[in-house]
Amino acid sequence: DAMVIQNPRYQVTQFGKPVTLSCSQTLNHNVMYWYQQKSSQAPKLLFHYYDKDFNNEADTPDNFQSRRPNTSFCFLDIRSPGLGDAAMYLCATSRVLNTEAFFGQGTRLTVV
Amino acid sequence: AQSVAQPEDQVNVAEGNPLTVKCTYSVSGNPYLFWYVQYPNRGLQFLLKYITGDNLVKGSYGFEAEFNKSQTSFHLKKPSALVSDSALYFCAVRDTNTGNQFYFGTGTSLTVIP
Repeated sequence: DAMVIQNPRYQVTQFGKPVTLSCSQTLNHNVMYWYQQKSSQAPKLLFHYYDKDFNNEADTPDNFQSRRPNTSFCFLDIRSPGLGDAAMYLCATSRVLNTEAFFGQGTRLTVV
Repeated sequence: AQSVAQPEDQVNVAEGNPLTVKCTYSVSGNPYLFWYVQYPNRGLQFLLKYITGDNLVKGSYGFEAEFNKSQTSFHLKKPSALVSDSALYFCAVRDTNTGNQFYFGTGTSLTVIP
């Protein structure tokens, strides 16, 4: 019954070692989002895809990249994780405009 | 630019009492407004939304919210709070002028005291 699935739930990576977080959806939604959320703060939008069109937020660091090989999957790549990148990463999907977003359970990233 | 403000970091309410969690917004176009709830180490769960029509919208778990255009507010309410309502609540806005992005407020931690 799960609709937006994030793997893994918990990820530990070494400082500077590339890491990939994954998200899949069974909703066939056009839009997929990646948010970063630090300790009970507001989720911060990193980027989103509308179908294959990639939309980067102006203040998203270059260290963060994303891939969407097909409608169902979206990946977040952190090329060189720093200690400040430790956070919960949330994936979400939606249809356009007047519909709500559906969130996955999140991946908690720890950088050691 | 679009923004959402939640003026209260923390709201405490006694079980059985009505609760209100405040949200104000600023957008250039027409707002689509949403409320989400988050439990510890979990993703966000959708509660309700305002798109158009009746200013009072009803959502999940007995929550409702009132859209007030003149005050640019969208406060979340519940007539009788439960201990299980204790969680982090986020207001979010989508601006019809800027497309698909959801922007979130800073969140309000609700504690319902038994």
